[in-house]
Amino acid sequence: AQKVTQAQTEISVVEKEDVTLDCVYETRDTTYYLFWYKQPPSGELVFLIRRNSFDEQNEISGRYSWNFQKSTSSFNFTITASQVVDSAVYFCALSEVLTGNQFYFGTGTSLTVIP
Amino acid sequence: SQTIHQWPATLVQPVGSPLSLECTVEGTSNPNLYWYRQAAGRGLQLLFYSVGIGQISSEVPQNLSASRPQDRQFILSSKKLLLSDSGFYLCAWTHSSGVGAFFGQGTRLTVV
Repeated sequence: AQKVTQAQTEISVVEKEDVTLDCVYETRDTTYYLFWYKQPPSGELVFLIRRNSFDEQNEISGRYSWNFQKSTSSFNFTITASQVVDSAVYFCALSEVLTGNQFYFGTGTSLTVIP
Repeated sequence: SQTIHQWPATLVQPVGSPLSLECTVEGTSNPNLYWYRQAAGRGLQLLFYSVGIGQISSEVPQNLSASRPQDRQFILSSKKLLLSDSGFYLCAWTHSSGVGAFFGQGTRLTVV
């Protein structure tokens, strides 16, 4: 079974629109971490955020915000007022303590922001 | 600070030739090391995972192998490349505390 599901394969939005990238995870562990990474066209993966399983506070960083809800096993990522530079593939990931903190990645969501 | 080096950045190899991609980590000890492959327009596929020297877990049966001769060195190899081995290969490390995964810059391999 897929541990991290990103159901949206591709999303296109017009610049300045808000967009939410969905992430649903599956774990039996009580202690785990959730992550978002950005992969621009250059290919390198860029770390965006980490949340641990005991901290459900939503986080905002500039135009980025993350909504962590344990009740629905979701960790969604919203970009407000999208810009062309936000165009990239975004990966959600899970790290479980039980498996020695092995990383599980979703299949990624390709975001295109149209000017 | 910790850094991860992966080389080469690009590689074009003929079918049937051998492969060796190297990844080294600096500034940490006993990292968990990973090799991922990303085919064009696709997600990340975990190939190998290592928690220590000589300890390799293979996630997907394939034409590739991995070795970890030193604590902070992870090597991806093949004796004979196939066309289907083309892709973008990423090395990553994580600390056992699970605080994050850090990636190399990747190797774009084209098998011709």
